[in-house]
Amino acid sequence: EIVLTQSPATLSLSPGERATLSCRASQSVSSYLAWYQHKPGQAPRLLIYDASNRATGIPARFSGSGSGTDFTLTISSLEPEDFAVYYCQQRSNWWTFGQGTKVEIK
Amino acid sequence: EVQLVESGGGLVQPGGSLRLSCAASGFSFSSYWMSWVRQAPGKRLEWVANINQDGSEKNYVDSVKGRFTISRDNAKNSLYLQMNSLRAEDTAVYYCAKYGSGWFDYWGQGTLVTVSS
Repeated sequence: EIVLTQSPATLSLSPGERATLSCRASQSVSSYLAWYQHKPGQAPRLLIYDASNRATGIPARFSGSGSGTDFTLTISSLEPEDFAVYYCQQRSNWWTFGQGTKVEIK
Repeated sequence: EVQLVESGGGLVQPGGSLRLSCAASGFSFSSYWMSWVRQAPGKRLEWVANINQDGSEKNYVDSVKGRFTISRDNAKNSLYLQMNSLRAEDTAVYYCAKYGSGWFDYWGQGTLVTVSS
C-alpha cells in the first residue's frame, strides 16, 4: 500500500497569505496525484489532478506541483472560503489518501 | 449540475446490516465508474469499493471483502452499498463518488454509519 504523508498537520494563516502544503508518497506515484478540499458537512471537492492540472471551475490561485514522491499544493493568496482541510490522493496503486492538512484562520 | 445524494445511514448493532444508496443526477450515470469512500472519526479517507459502468467489474478494499457488496441500477441512476456483518471499525461517514478521468471528480455530502451496541 502506498502511504501518503501530509505536512504540516495544521497551517495557521491570515487571508491574503500564501499557503504551501506538502504531500510525500512512500514510493513513486509518478504524476498520479490529486488534491481535494473538504469543508465540514460538505462534499469533498477535487482541486488538482495529475499533480498539476486544475479541475473544472477551480480558481487560478490554486496550483499543484511535483512528481514521483514529493508534491506541493500552493494557494497563492488565501480567500476566506479557502479555510478547510486539504487531502492528497494517489491512484498509482489502488487509491489512498493522505491524513489531511487543516488550513485555519490565524 | 452534478449531484450525488447518499442515504441509508444510521445506527446499527455489531453484526447487523445496512444498505446505503446514492442518487445521481446531472451526468450520464451509466457512462462512469462509481465508488464508495469512507472516513472514520479522526481517520483519513479510505476508498471502499468501486464498480464499472455495467456492473460487471467490482473491486473492494481488503477489510470489507466478503462483507460489503457494491451494485448499481443504471435505469434509476443509483449506486448502492450493501453492508453485512458490520463491525465497530466500519463506523464512518460514507461518501458516494463519481470516478471521472481517473479521479474522484464529484462527491456527495456523505451519510453517517454508526456501528455500536
